[in-house]
Amino acid sequence: KQEVTQIPAALSVPEGENLVLNCSFTDSAIYNLQWFRQDPGKGLTSLLLIQSSQREQTSGRLNASLDKSSGRSTLYIAASQPGDSATYLCAANAGNMLTFGGGTRLMVKP
Amino acid sequence: NAGVMQNPRHLVRRRGQEARLRCSPMKGHSHVYWYRQLPEEGLKFMVYLQKENIIDESGMPKERFSAEFPKEGPSILRIQQVVRGDSAAYFCASSPWAGDNEQFFGPGTRLTVL
Repeated sequence: KQEVTQIPAALSVPEGENLVLNCSFTDSAIYNLQWFRQDPGKGLTSLLLIQSSQREQTSGRLNASLDKSSGRSTLYIAASQPGDSATYLCAANAGNMLTFGGGTRLMVKP
Repeated sequence: NAGVMQNPRHLVRRRGQEARLRCSPMKGHSHVYWYRQLPEEGLKFMVYLQKENIIDESGMPKERFSAEFPKEGPSILRIQQVVRGDSAAYFCASSPWAGDNEQFFGPGTRLTVL
């Protein structure tokens, strides 16, 4: 059974810092891994999807990497802004379902 | 191309009533997934459906919950005799096919049971 863990659970940083969010998964037999953003009381916004054959994906200030063999993915946020404050979720796709981590709650202070 | 649509966005029910949550997938998508997010908890898979078929319901509670995706119309998640513990956000996602596809999420339905 796939288990996904995200560390840290919460993170508070001053504006402008570069930061890394970590995601680990127990079963490397995945099709892809998705990173989402969720604002309080809101739905999910898809940020990046990395296929199992890829090593990384970039979108603006975001860069996600995937190391299937070690069961790890990281989301790198450059030059953080207060508007980046949200919960970040990673999800491993095994075909029939996404298995989500518990999320990292990010606060970027002005 | 409209995204995944869910309605209602908010639903209030009293204990013992029935709740019906609807999900219209993106155009061209025939695969639908339902997830539940309990307060202060992560998202958990409930059920995966294709048109007229339930493919995987391993995450569905054994009693009171059912799901369908008819040939015509939206997918329906039905909760009978709701209890306070059913209060949660229910998210629907769709994809054009299974496997290595990206799942696109709707805005969710927030169910409150009084």
